[in-house]
Amino acid sequence: ETGVTQTPRHLVMGMTNKKSLKCEQHLGHNAMYWYKQSAKKPLELMFVYSLEERVENNSVPSRFSPECPNSSHLFLHLHTLQPEDSALYLCASSQEGTANYGYTFGSGTRLTVV
Amino acid sequence: LAKTTQPISMDSYEGQEVNITCSHNNIATNDYITWYQQFPSQGPRFIIQGYKTKVTNEVASLFIPADRKSSTLSLPRVSLSDTAVYYCLVEAGYGGATNKLIFGTGTLLAVQP
Repeated sequence: ETGVTQTPRHLVMGMTNKKSLKCEQHLGHNAMYWYKQSAKKPLELMFVYSLEERVENNSVPSRFSPECPNSSHLFLHLHTLQPEDSALYLCASSQEGTANYGYTFGSGTRLTVV
Repeated sequence: LAKTTQPISMDSYEGQEVNITCSHNNIATNDYITWYQQFPSQGPRFIIQGYKTKVTNEVASLFIPADRKSSTLSLPRVSLSDTAVYYCLVEAGYGGATNKLIFGTGTLLAVQP
């Protein structure tokens, strides 16, 4: 475990379903992120939260809806997804304003849209 | 954000030393250089970070010349389990959300027996 826990590890959903991905960090960090990694592509930054406020949305379709209720938890709510949304979704956290030791990533949720 | 350039792939054999070089010509004064390792279907893992000269930890060494326009990750005596994608990134020294790590394609290191 890295200190960032993502659930579920695997998810299969139909295009009409609604599901949520959960991320929890135990590191006391104050910034959290969602990344998407499609097959053989670089990681794409989706959302950034700093001090529980969204600071960036990288032109992500509205069928992805993030939620950050507190500094330890981050959700990604999914609805009416498309097959091309199948990917590995990664959560990460970091501590803003301190000496930088990089981001800590979770193990990801492998999402398959059928 | 400083753009980085690194080889798409490298091959090596068990027991060899592997050096992966990254170019970051537009690095800013307060930027740090960070390397991550990613195995299939897992999140990237922090390996090492440096600002200048040489940094060494239990996993790797990082060599940064005086002009800081490039860096070299050195993995001593690689094993099959070191087969992974290695990413070189430049991060602002103050850390956090304002960094917005942007990943490139990384270097796929394949270690053969």
